[in-house]
Amino acid sequence: GAGVSQSPSNKVTEKGKDVELRCDPISGHTALYWYRQSLGQGLEFLIYFQGNSAPDKSGLPSDRFSAERTGGSVSTLTIQRTQQEDSAVYLCASSPNQDRLPAGELFFGEGSRLTVL
Amino acid sequence: AQSVTQLGSHVSVSEGALVLLRCNYSSSVPPYLFWYVQYPNQGLQLLLKYTTGATLVKGINGFEAEFKKSETSFHLTKPSAHMSDAAEYFCAVSHSGGSNYKLTFGKGTLLTVNP
Repeated sequence: GAGVSQSPSNKVTEKGKDVELRCDPISGHTALYWYRQSLGQGLEFLIYFQGNSAPDKSGLPSDRFSAERTGGSVSTLTIQRTQQEDSAVYLCASSPNQDRLPAGELFFGEGSRLTVL
Repeated sequence: AQSVTQLGSHVSVSEGALVLLRCNYSSSVPPYLFWYVQYPNQGLQLLLKYTTGATLVKGINGFEAEFKKSETSFHLTKPSAHMSDAAEYFCAVSHSGGSNYKLTFGKGTLLTVNP
């Protein structure tokens, strides 16, 4: 597709259940990011992929959070044993390989809104 | 470490009035600076960016921002607000060195435009 695609757009789950959020980046973009957006907190960096590797997982809040990327394309963010504080919008973004330059423009998907009851 | 502070979580202006959204950053090296806009239920999209060169940068929808190194600021302005400008605006700074792939975002400023 032309842009970054995320699914599901909305997910309501019960506390303790596992959820998977999917991101399909722009074709050819080697860099992929997950951010979390909570009310009044701005965007919180979670994880960065370059190709299939994740050189920076420093933003993952706990070991209940994991992510993978396959084929240098689609990425899945998994949250195990969800808690109410996990409720947020999870945003995926992609960008072309920046080489050695500082990060440039990120192209964002519309996000997956997660509500944990 | 780089950080971004946006002064004012909520700014309200009248249609036709000047829009001024404030952003200050901290960075140990010359940064790349960005403004993104988020319309309701949408992802973020780039408004404008400063990398090198001219310190006054123009973006989409009539917005512009000026990089002022001495003030470590990158405020966003628009001379005349339009109803369609109502959205949340995020300032962001790139990292340097080993973390240069990462953008750090401010907490956002919600712009309301009153008729």
